[in-house]
Formats: sequence, structure tokens, C-alpha cells
Amino acid sequence: TQLLEQSPQFLSIQEGENLTVYCNSSSVFSSLQWYRQEPGEGPVLLVTVVTGGEVKKLKRLTFQFGDARKDSSLHITAAQPGDTGLYLCAGKPTTSGTYKYIFGTGTRLKVLA
Amino acid sequence: DTGVSQNPRHKITKRGQNVTFRCDPISEHNRLYWYRQTLGQGPEFLTYFQNEAQLEKSRLLSDRFSAERPKGSFSTLEIQRTEQGDSAMYLCASSLGTWGAGGEAFFGQGTRLTVV
Repeated sequence: TQLLEQSPQFLSIQEGENLTVYCNSSSVFSSLQWYRQEPGEGPVLLVTVVTGGEVKKLKRLTFQFGDARKDSSLHITAAQPGDTGLYLCAGKPTTSGTYKYIFGTGTRLKVLA
Repeated sequence: DTGVSQNPRHKITKRGQNVTFRCDPISEHNRLYWYRQTLGQGPEFLTYFQNEAQLEKSRLLSDRFSAERPKGSFSTLEIQRTEQGDSAMYLCASSLGTWGAGGEAFFGQGTRLTVV
């Protein structure tokens, strides 16, 4: 079983603070995605990273794929209440013939005004 | 609205009853995925279709679960003899081409099943 563990599981911070969410596995992934999910909605894609060591920035969000393609992090600068939601990482296994992504355990973020 | 559509949005059923959910993917998306998500957890993969062919099934998909995509367009997920452990959000996603290799998967809003 290829597991993606996310930490922390819950995070409650004040507006303006910075935070980092981690996504770790013992398995290698060909690519990794980050999603944000709001209550009652499906996950919405934020970014895809495919190269070990890759860093992508999306406004105040910075995503990094580990050199060995087993882990990833999401850093949010100056968090805002609109960032509140469930953050999910998802990795595509390197197993031949696999077309799906495996999702992590999730990090629930609450940003207080 | 041209996104992925799932119906119904909510379903409450008694233990032992059968339920069927429908997913209408984005038009011309040839790949369709079903996931199950319990409260506060990440989605778990159930099954994958390329056109009408079911190419991958999770071990989570017991004999009580069956999914179809008869004409390569909409898909249905049926659960027979529901159990309380089946209570979850059932998510459908679709993509044009390989998910992640330039083809993004778009998720529907899900069907929330409650078995009482």
C-alpha cells in the first residue's frame, strides 16, 4: 500500500502568519499534485510538480517536490481567511499501467481573521 | 455549467437497501474516476474507466459495489445491501487524456451517502 502522510493534520492560525504543510511517503511518485477542498465540494487542483527538487510558486503559495520524489511541501505566506480549507496532496505511483492519483490524509487549515 | 455533475448530492438510505449514483463527466472527457472520501480524510480510489472500459478497480470495491460506463459518457456506481460503513462522500472526476500528463482531472461536488 502506498501511503501519503500529511502533517499537521489540523492547523489553526491567525491571519498574516506563515505555515508549512508536509506530505511524506516511502514510495516514489512520477508526479505529485496539491488540491484544496472546501466543505461540500470536490477537490480543486492547485499545482502539479513532476521533477525532483522542483519548486513552483502560485501567488502566496510555494510548492516543493522532494529530490527523491517521495515527499512534498506547501508553504503559505501571510495566510488569509480565504485560505481556509482541506489541503490534499496526491501522488501518481510509478507502477506501470497506473493512471490514478493516491491522495494523502489531508491537512485541515483554519485561518482566523 | 460544463463541469462534472453528480446526482444526487445527498442520499439517506436504510441499511440493506441498494443505492445508485450517477456521474456526468465533462463533455468529451474519455477518462472517469470514482473515489470515496470519509469525513476529514483524503479521497480513496475506487475505480477508473477509459471510455467504456473499466481498467482498474480497487480492492475497496467489494462484491457489493459495481460501476458502469455503458456508452463511454456518464457513469453509475451502485452499492447493494448498504452497510453503515458505506457512509461517505462519493466523488467522481474526469479527464481528457492521462491525468497529470498534461490532462487535469476535474472533480464533481460529490454524492454524500448516509446509511442509517
